[in-house]
Amino acid sequence: ETGVTQTPRHLVMGMTNKKSLKCEQHLGHNAMYWYKQSAKKPLELMFVYNFKEQTENNSVPSRFSPECPNSSHLFLHLHTLQPEDSALYLCASSLRGGSSYEQYFGPGTRLTVT
Amino acid sequence: AQKITQTQPGMFVQEKEAVTLDCTYDTSDPSYGLFWYKQPSSGEMIFLIYQGSYDQQNATEGRYSLNFQKARKSANLVISASQLGDSAMYFCAMSQEFTGTASKLTFGTGTRLQVTL
Repeated sequence: ETGVTQTPRHLVMGMTNKKSLKCEQHLGHNAMYWYKQSAKKPLELMFVYNFKEQTENNSVPSRFSPECPNSSHLFLHLHTLQPEDSALYLCASSLRGGSSYEQYFGPGTRLTVT
Repeated sequence: AQKITQTQPGMFVQEKEAVTLDCTYDTSDPSYGLFWYKQPSSGEMIFLIYQGSYDQQNATEGRYSLNFQKARKSANLVISASQLGDSAMYFCAMSQEFTGTASKLTFGTGTRLQVTL
């Protein structure tokens, strides 16, 4: 595996379900990110992790719970979601900070909440 | 706060022609980075090109070039010799340094490019 991988690629869940999204990066990067992409809206940064430490929670509702057990893995635990949470969830990683370092994205998980 | 504006929701270009995708930005930070990403229908965001706020020359990467005009706060993407595979959404983004070991990207709403025969 190379780059940034995400599983599952598609997920349909009911509002009372609990599920988790997984992201893995094989690039040796130190920072990982979760983004939400809704239709006709810019990408929204949700969470930032530096060396496994959460450094940003962008006013995300508590029904989204991130977990970063090591620098290569990032999870997003979902519970009691709402239909408006249906979106493409993208994971990204970057080597280090500084405004010049690009972020590498995974293919995303398309989530539908019914 | 940072803001990225992409005013072209959709663009058409004929194969082998050049096309310019517009991006303007607003920031009070003296140091920042500007990026363009391509998102095909598969969903993955693909990094295309980067321009630093202190770079004197415009960035180029193969068929992609970034027309950076700092005084006008614009960072337009130019794609030369368009190919059918260039059909996708294109996002302009700006980064700011954040905690020293991560960056924070602000994205525009994107431009959907359609390349025609």
